[in-house]
Amino acid sequence: NAGVTQTPKFRVLKTGQSMTLLCAQDMNHEYMYWYRQDPGMGLRLIHYSVGEGTTAKGEVPDGYNVSRLKKQNFLLGLESAAPSQTSVYFCASRDSQGVVTEAFFGQGTRLTVV
Amino acid sequence: QKEVEQDPGPLSVPEGAIVSLNCTYSNSAFQYFMWYRQYSRKGPELLMYTYSSGNKEDGRFTAQVDKSSKYISLFIRDSQPSDSATYLCAIWRGQNFVFGPGTRLSVLP
Repeated sequence: NAGVTQTPKFRVLKTGQSMTLLCAQDMNHEYMYWYRQDPGMGLRLIHYSVGEGTTAKGEVPDGYNVSRLKKQNFLLGLESAAPSQTSVYFCASRDSQGVVTEAFFGQGTRLTVV
Repeated sequence: QKEVEQDPGPLSVPEGAIVSLNCTYSNSAFQYFMWYRQYSRKGPELLMYTYSSGNKEDGRFTAQVDKSSKYISLFIRDSQPSDSATYLCAIWRGQNFVFGPGTRLSVLP
């Protein structure tokens, strides 16, 4: 059981380049999330999805876009990367059954923008 | 004011010590509180969660919520070097979670 898988694990981008981070989950979860983690700032929510075909903005959405075309996949796009987007990105998913359920996280993507 | 605040540490303790990790939160409407543990270069994993006020115990770990003072705590008894990690408190906010910045803990053998 793979859980939540993020691709790629590491990436270096030049300012202005674009890229897409892929998150895949095999637990049939409805909810999926993208966070960024920076020193001293903790995990900050970028975008999230409550089901296939839906997306919503989180705390820090500027400079990012997302898509949830398939239930198992949640894509995070950077159209024009900036050094301020250097961070560790985590994807998470959770079941919608029950009031509160555990969020399962991927291993993270370390992105450096130079 | 941030929704969740947490002392980032780092905190170093000798093996066997009792560790106390704490968070404060701003919104008295929050009901569900969680602690996640994150090892270096890994994703966070759920350690414990509690509903409303009171204590919850799981082995060497105890989670405590004091809603009157908007304070949540995690106690680790007989700490082990394998407990060395970053501990993040988290609060359920409807459709998503809000996380504290995390406290980095080192347990020295």
